[in-house]
Amino acid sequence: AQSVTQLDSHVSVSEGTPVLLRCNYSSSYSPSLFWYVQHPNKGLQLLLKYTSAATLVKGINGFEAEFKKSETSFHLTKPSAHMSDAAEYFCVVSDSGGYQKVTFGTGTKLQVIP
Amino acid sequence: GAGVSQTPSNKVTEKGKYVELRCDPISGHTALYWYRQSLGQGPEFLIYFQGTGAADDSGLPNDRFFAVRPEGSVSTLKIQRTERGDSAVYLCASSSSGGQGGEQFFGPGTRLTVL
Repeated sequence: AQSVTQLDSHVSVSEGTPVLLRCNYSSSYSPSLFWYVQHPNKGLQLLLKYTSAATLVKGINGFEAEFKKSETSFHLTKPSAHMSDAAEYFCVVSDSGGYQKVTFGTGTKLQVIP
Repeated sequence: GAGVSQTPSNKVTEKGKYVELRCDPISGHTALYWYRQSLGQGPEFLIYFQGTGAADDSGLPNDRFFAVRPEGSVSTLKIQRTERGDSAVYLCASSSSGGQGGEQFFGPGTRLTVL
């Protein structure tokens, strides 16, 4: 069984300050983990993914995430928030079950204050 | 190249009616997924196709929901006797393979409103 918990439903940061969006997962196998972003009235876009290679994963738009097996975490970070980062972010987990049935978290809405 | 497209973008129907939602995946993608996203929630898995066959339909909520992909490309999600609780955004995604780690590319969704 797989599940994912996004610890914050809303995060508010000032422009230019660091972003931290938290995600914890549960998986029976070696998981793949993803972060997706959803801008208002836009489709979901992949930010980055972890698939058992390097534990520190770099994605688009300056985002990165670190896979920590001991903590079952996959937190998303960015050193400096930009106004265009305001969106909803989803952490996603997939068990190594032979195909990519994924489970989405409930999402974290990021607000960037000018 | 074209991404995943979904039609219609919006569908308003009355309780008890039948609706069909269409998904055109990226050309050549063998895997196709349907999700449902209710307001304030993350997408919820409904069904997964590998080619023409439904490899996993465990997410379909009940027998009013059915999906087909007869030629291994376009897919249609069919909902019979719609209920107000079916109102949501229905998302389709495709992937070049069904293996773990393959990126899913999402369409813009169909917003279904059942009055």
